Order: sequence, then structure tokens, then C-alpha cells
Amino acid sequence: EVQLVESGGGLVKPGGSLRLSCVVSRITFSKAWMSWVRQAPGKGLEWVGRIKTKTDGGTTDYAAPVKGRFTISRDDSKNRLLLQMNSLKTEDTAVYYCTTGVTTRTSFWGQGTMVTVSS
Amino acid sequence: QSALTQPASVSGSPGQSITISCTGTSSDIGGYNYVSWFQQHPGKAPKLMIYEVSNRPSGVSNRFSGSKSGNTASLTISGLQAEDEADYYCSSYTSTSTLYVFGTGTKVTVL
Repeated sequence: EVQLVESGGGLVKPGGSLRLSCVVSRITFSKAWMSWVRQAPGKGLEWVGRIKTKTDGGTTDYAAPVKGRFTISRDDSKNRLLLQMNSLKTEDTAVYYCTTGVTTRTSFWGQGTMVTVSS
Repeated sequence: QSALTQPASVSGSPGQSITISCTGTSSDIGGYNYVSWFQQHPGKAPKLMIYEVSNRPSGVSNRFSGSKSGNTASLTISGLQAEDEADYYCSSYTSTSTLYVFGTGTKVTVL
């Protein structure tokens, strides 16, 4: 069974930074386009961003609310997806999920990691 | 990019069928066949139920079916069961700078 395990969440002050990690197992990670999706408490799902495979250029795309503040990267040697979050705002408070896809047949999700931005 | 519009809640009795709608625009649902549906139980991660409008992943019950007409996609759950009680979200690829958009979510209650 495919497994995705996020870590790195926690409490951070507005303006601070946090780096999330997602370790993926039982799939060929280097061949997977990966996305981050978040869910604010009691709210719906929101796509955060995506990274393509290195074969497809390794390029990234971001949702407007996080563009310029968040950076997605990948370490294929460690089957690991990263989300660097800078200049955090209170509205970034959410559970952050990593996923292998939002509209594809192979859509597997991690259990999520909670990020709380508060003074 | 605004979220896709779903009814806040839908309910039905065991054994009945229910349908959840998901309305977007020609820039998302109407323009592409990349519509998915997710089921989410409280405190759990979303689970893919339907992809590319009407396809079921392996392991998903055939009681779940999807369709699309114009800018609106639909998820039908037939033979409703207690375990189907959950939140359901649609999603679509979009031609806007935000590549993927989710629906507002629908809470399904089994009476």
C-alpha cells in the first residue's frame, strides 16, 4: 500500500517560517508529480502547489495566496517532498496534506500535519 | 479562482440514492474532463472516489458513480449506507493560474 507521511507542522508566529516534509513509500517517487493541499479548521480543501518530476522539468506551480512565500522542492534520492513556508500569516493555519494527485487515478494522500500561525 | 459550488448538505435514508452537484465554469468543469470526487471522514485524509468525471479507482464500491453536463458535475451514491456518512468534495483542473480548484464541500447524512 502506498504510504505518505508528513511531518514538520507546529506553532509559529506570524511572519515566521516552517518547513514541512513528506516521505513517500511504495511508489516510484521520482516518477510522481506531487502536490500540497491544505484545509483550514472546519473549512474545505485548498490546493497549495505542485511540482513535476525532474524528467518533466521539475517545475513548480502555486496557488495565488501562497505564491512568492511558499516553495515546493523534492529530493528523489530520499523519496521526500518539501514545502518551505515563509512570511506565514494567520490565514495559513491549516492541516497540510501531501498527495500524488488531485485529479488523477493515482491520488494517494498522507494523514496531514497541522500548522498553526498565531502570536 | 473561486471554489466550485456544492450544496452544504444532502441527506438520505439507508438504501436510497442521493446526488451531489458541483457547479463551476467553462474554465474548469465545463472545459476539461479532469473532475474528481473525494470522500473525507472526520479527522481523516480525503479518499479518491471518482476520477476523470466517471471513473472509479480500484477498491471503490460501484455504488458510487460520477457524471458531467456542461459546467456541472455530479456524484451519485446509490444504496446509501451508514458508512457513506462523510464530507464529499469535488475538484477540477482549471485553466486559471490556480491549476486545481476544489468544491465547497457537501456533508452527507444518513438518516
